[in-house]
Amino acid sequence: GAVVSQHPSRVICKSGTSVKIECRSLDFQATTMFWYRQFPKKSLMLMATSNEGSKATYEQGVEKDKFLINHASLTLSTLTVTSAHPEDSSFYICSASSGRADEQYFGPGTRLTVT
Amino acid sequence: GQSLEQPSEVTAVEGAIVQINCTYQTSGFYGLSWYQQHDGGAPTFLSYNALDGLEETGRFSSFLSRSDSYGYLLLQELQMKDSASYFCAVREDDKIIFGKGTRLHILP
Repeated sequence: GAVVSQHPSRVICKSGTSVKIECRSLDFQATTMFWYRQFPKKSLMLMATSNEGSKATYEQGVEKDKFLINHASLTLSTLTVTSAHPEDSSFYICSASSGRADEQYFGPGTRLTVT
Repeated sequence: GQSLEQPSEVTAVEGAIVQINCTYQTSGFYGLSWYQQHDGGAPTFLSYNALDGLEETGRFSSFLSRSDSYGYLLLQELQMKDSASYFCAVREDDKIIFGKGTRLHILP
């Protein structure tokens, strides 16, 4: 149980374009989903927390107009990187929680490369 | 705010025991979690301690001392597949803050 999928696993896009990443909880209802980014050999940095049906809460320094998050249902959250630039290249990971933030289940991650 | 300290790297021999320490500073404390992450993969949840003491799950155990703001992850009978990064994490309200991770190298 507690499986989270992420799509796509890898994406390469041109600078200035937008990319949408989907995060789905497959076998449980996720009241909260989290979006992280991780640079090579670095820790996970929380970008935003999203609760179903409400606006996402962004961490300090994360541009909400650049990283659009939608949590339309209890099993799906999306992250859209708008007007991507090379510095947005990173590993983006979502996680889902059914109630306890202490126990999060992570998706497999999406490797974004902006050329 | 929160801060977590853990060693950046640890090296151990296959079959041995290794302990990864984590100290934390928090404004409020709900519990200490541990996650494992293999290169190129996503983190996987290992354990969670809300109360003082030792929690054992197979070869892995996790310990917490709230009075010392300290915890550790203990890995026994190390296997090559245990080579990974290990993150301690604490909860702040409804989100988790991760430490910088400890890269575990295992020698044959």
